[in-house]
Amino acid sequence: EDKVVQSPLSLVVHEGDTVTLNCSYEVTNFRSLLWYKQEKKAPTFLFMLTSSGIEKKSGRLSSILDKKELFSILNITATQTGDSAVYLCAVPGYSSASKIIFGSGTRLSIRP
Amino acid sequence: EAQVTQNPRYLITVTGKKLTVTCSQNMNHEYMSWYRQDPGLGLRQIYYSMNVEVTDKGDVPEGYKVSRKEKRNFPLILESPSPNQTSLYFCASRQQGGNTEAFFGQGTRLTVV
Repeated sequence: EDKVVQSPLSLVVHEGDTVTLNCSYEVTNFRSLLWYKQEKKAPTFLFMLTSSGIEKKSGRLSSILDKKELFSILNITATQTGDSAVYLCAVPGYSSASKIIFGSGTRLSIRP
Repeated sequence: EAQVTQNPRYLITVTGKKLTVTCSQNMNHEYMSWYRQDPGLGLRQIYYSMNVEVTDKGDVPEGYKVSRKEKRNFPLILESPSPNQTSLYFCASRQQGGNTEAFFGQGTRLTVV
């Protein structure tokens, strides 16, 4: 059965800290991995990763994929209170690409 | 503006009273899905659709129905809502293929009493 597992489930850090969020997956015929940020509304897209070892970067956020070890990490440097959110990792399923499997998310809280 | 529109945003209803949550996208996407989000359980897929008249069950389809008569619309129907369907619901759409991101509607918070 396809699955996506995120860790930690929750994390509390101080403003300015660097955090690393983890996502491991077991999905048949993997094609891509997606990261989303969810505040008190709909998830918003952050990154799509398809190739191993190629870092995607957007400001203080970056992400990388390891297709051999079946995981991805999302890094946030110099965290700000606005980074407080639930971060979701997702992988399209094999049986149907329209089916996306989400991890349970990591709830990140940034304290001033 | 490219978007996925859900209605209503908030709904309180009573057990057994049929309801429909609408979802419409203006991006000509083939794939559409419904998710429910519950604390500690993340986003779970209810139903998904690969194109007009093509739908399939997700992980938690019990108590729900969908239809895809037009490409842009994918309504979620609760024929006889029960309190365990109290949840936050999201509709999403994406372009066909394995390497495209999903766009989400703003969510519908449903309470069944």
